Amino acid sequence: EIVMTQSPATLSVSPGERATLSCRASQSISSNLAWYQQKPGQPPRLLIYGASTRATGIPATFSGSGSGTEFTLTISSLQSEDFAVYYCQQYHNWPPWTFGQGTKVEIK
Amino acid sequence: EVQLVESGGGLVKPGGSLRLSCAASGFTFSSYNMNWVRQAPGKGLEWVSSISSSSTYIYYADSVKGRFTISRDNAKNSLFLQMNSLRAEDTAVYYCAREASYGDFWGQGTLVTVSS
Repeated sequence: EIVMTQSPATLSVSPGERATLSCRASQSISSNLAWYQQKPGQPPRLLIYGASTRATGIPATFSGSGSGTEFTLTISSLQSEDFAVYYCQQYHNWPPWTFGQGTKVEIK
Repeated sequence: EVQLVESGGGLVKPGGSLRLSCAASGFTFSSYNMNWVRQAPGKGLEWVSSISSSSTYIYYADSVKGRFTISRDNAKNSLFLQMNSLRAEDTAVYYCAREASYGDFWGQGTLVTVSS
C-alpha cells in the first residue's frame, strides 16, 4: 500500500498571502494524484487531479505541481473561503485509494 | 447536476448491523465505478470499498473485509453498503463517491455511530 505524507499538519497564513502545501508518496505514483478541500461539516471537494489539472469550477488561484513522489498544492492568494483542510490522494495503485493525513490551513 | 445522497446511518450497538444507501442522479450511474469512503470524528479520510460499474470487480479495505458488503442496483441508480459485526472503530461519516480514477463527486455523508 502506498503511504501518502502531507506537510505541514497546520499552516497559518494571513489573507492575501500565498500558501504552499506538500504531499509525498512512499513510491512513485507518476502524476496520479488528486487534491481535495474539506470545510467543516462538508464533504471533500475535488480541486486538482492528474497532479496539476484543475477540476471544473476551481479558480486559478489553486495550482498543483509535481510528479513521482513529491507534489505541491499552491494557493496563490488566500481568501477567507480557502481556510479549510486539504487532502492529497493517490490513485496510481488501487485499491486502495490512499489519502494523506491532511493539512489544515488556518488564519494567522 | 450530479447528486449523491446517502442515507441509513444511525446509532447501533457493537455487533449490530446497518445498511447504507446512496441515491445517485444527474449522471449515467451505470457507467461509473463507485466507492465508499469514511471519516472518523476529527480524523482523515479512509477508503472503505469500491465496486465497478457492472459489479464485476469489488474491493474492500482490510479493516472491513468479511464484515461489509458493497452492492449496487443500476436500474434504481443506487449504491449500498451492508455493514455487519460493527465495532466502535467503525464510527464515522460514510461518504459515497463517484470514481473517475479519483473521487470527482461526493455525497454529503451519513453518520454511523457504534456505541453501547
